Amino acid sequence: QQQVKQSPQSLIVQKGGISIINCAYENTAFDYFPWYQQFPGKGPALLIAIRPDVSEKKEGRFTISFNKSAKQFSLHIMDSQPGDSATYFCAASTGTSYDKVIFGPGTSLSVIP
Amino acid sequence: GAVVSQHPSWVICKSGTSVKIECRSLDFQATTMFWYRQFPKQSLMLMATSNEGSKATYEQGVEKDKFLINHASLTLSTLTVTSAHPEDSSFYICSALLTSGYNEQFFGPGTRLTVL
Repeated sequence: QQQVKQSPQSLIVQKGGISIINCAYENTAFDYFPWYQQFPGKGPALLIAIRPDVSEKKEGRFTISFNKSAKQFSLHIMDSQPGDSATYFCAASTGTSYDKVIFGPGTSLSVIP
Repeated sequence: GAVVSQHPSWVICKSGTSVKIECRSLDFQATTMFWYRQFPKQSLMLMATSNEGSKATYEQGVEKDKFLINHASLTLSTLTVTSAHPEDSSFYICSALLTSGYNEQFFGPGTRLTVL
């Protein structure tokens, strides 16, 4: 029940295209859903996060869509650029009364020119 | 803001030696820090939760006598890999918890450990 599922495992998108990564969870106690971006040899960096009281959050080219009833959330990267090539991890936690952050297995994104 | 540093960024050691990795929150105080291990092309695996002034809480399967954690101040946690062996070679990442309404983790840049 603590698991966070993520797909696809890898993704290749052309420059200017839309990258979409999907995640699903089971634990309804989760109330904080961050996305992390990790470049090779670096630590993960918080990209964008959403709480379950909203269905969508947009920051620049990055948008999270959240479906509470389906227990699913997704990351959309608009106008994908080669510099977006990285590994993306979705995650979930009970942010209010702090609990562990559970990471998804990751998606390796390659944006080709 | 919310910057976390790690030192060293990479270390190579001989089998049987001990290695200490430092994790510092540079611009905020963190009563809670976390240590993760990441193998190539895999996700982050939580090893332990480090609480300032108290013993760390280890995840199942993580040997507490091998991975010693000390959180002596609100800005510093250390992970010591004792009697390191080649199978301990990995990317070790720490994070610090920023508590401000909702709690958020900020990650360090990681430490690459290679045990020969």
